[in-house]
Amino acid sequence: EVQLVESGGGLVQPGGSLRLSCAASGFTFSSYEMNWVRQAPGKGLEWVSYISSSGSTIYYADSVKGRFTISRDNAKNSLYLQMNSLRAEDTAVYYCARQSSGWRFDYWGQGTLVTVSS
Amino acid sequence: DIQMTQSPSSLSASVGDRVTITCQASQDISNYLNWYQQKPGKAPKLLIYDASNLETGVPSRFSGSGSGTDFTFTISSLQPEDIATYYCQQYDNLPTFGPGTKVDIK
Repeated sequence: EVQLVESGGGLVQPGGSLRLSCAASGFTFSSYEMNWVRQAPGKGLEWVSYISSSGSTIYYADSVKGRFTISRDNAKNSLYLQMNSLRAEDTAVYYCARQSSGWRFDYWGQGTLVTVSS
Repeated sequence: DIQMTQSPSSLSASVGDRVTITCQASQDISNYLNWYQQKPGKAPKLLIYDASNLETGVPSRFSGSGSGTDFTFTISSLQPEDIATYYCQQYDNLPTFGPGTKVDIK
């Protein structure tokens, strides 16, 4: 069974940093592209970042470019999102999502809540 | 950036009704469109990919159609468990989601 479990969310002050993790199991993690997608409270879905299966190709949404860094450790079956210079508008539930062909997000984690507030 | 719009933003329908949601892209995206269902407090679930292909295990009452800029998502016979918000997502370029359509039971 495919499982994605996010962790690392919490309350952080504006300008602070946080590192999210996503532990993958039930599939060959190193064969799949992965993404982070977020959802602000009561709002819609926003794609945040993509990383290729090897980690060699990375994309970011303009809203997080230069502040967030996506990475992965295929030996540990884990995906990460380092978030720096956090702003109130970064407050959201962050989901990791497995990508199958054609930017199809076929499996999602349960999400981890990040709250940016003083 | 490619912008996505959805209509309506919300709807109420009776059990057994046919429900249709439309999604429009700001430019031609061929068939590079997926549909997701999100129930309250849960992660999104992929229902339709490449505009019209049903994801494995998804009930056949769900369907999608369209290409270019105009797309349609249909529930042929609304069931109580279909109460959710539905999102379209384009991937012609970096992915963007539509604003969502909330579906309730009348």
